[in-house]
Amino acid sequence: DAGITQSPRHKVTETGTPVTLRCHQTENHRYMYWYRQDPGHGLRLIHYSYGVKDTDKGEVSDGYSVSRSKTEDFLLTLESATSSQTSVYFCAISDSLNTEAFFGQGTRLTVV
Amino acid sequence: TQLLEQSPQFLSIQEGENLTVYCNSSSVFSSLQWYRQEPGEGPVLLVTVVTGGEVKKLKRLTFQFGDARKDSSLHITAAQPGDTGLYLCADKPKTSYDKVIFGPGTSLSVIP
Repeated sequence: DAGITQSPRHKVTETGTPVTLRCHQTENHRYMYWYRQDPGHGLRLIHYSYGVKDTDKGEVSDGYSVSRSKTEDFLLTLESATSSQTSVYFCAISDSLNTEAFFGQGTRLTVV
Repeated sequence: TQLLEQSPQFLSIQEGENLTVYCNSSSVFSSLQWYRQEPGEGPVLLVTVVTGGEVKKLKRLTFQFGDARKDSSLHITAAQPGDTGLYLCADKPKTSYDKVIFGPGTSLSVIP
């Protein structure tokens, strides 16, 4: 299994609070991604990174920010959590354009 | 913006039956991937197809890529309970920064 660790695995938070999810990899892969998965929507890309300090927005980036200060860590921050951000969040990594994406086990976030 | 559709959305069958699920794109696929996601886990890559008309087999799974590279099918022969999961198709466009776009998935349940 690819070395990807997401933390926390489960979190319940209150509306309006900031939340940070962490993705840590031991594979030294260049690309890292954050997706959210909701019933009927599949996986939707929030933000991605193509190198240290190089990030860009995905299709559902509003209300989220990311940072990548080291190759191995990619942080996703919900600046002020809302109930619509209740979801399962997946981190993924890949090495190049032609290799597969490896996924973490997900973080289940509930905003009450 | 490319849109991926998958059908059926849900499928429940008895062990031993055959089934086919489909993936369609609003534009030509660059590189089509099929993933399987088991409950509580992240998606895992099953296969990548690139060439129109390509057929790949993975044990009881047969993947076919349409000649026009806008559709694909996944056929499972003699389904087993271990095949239960969410089947996702995805496109890896040949644009910069390697963004993977996912379909909404087909949720398969194989009943013993």
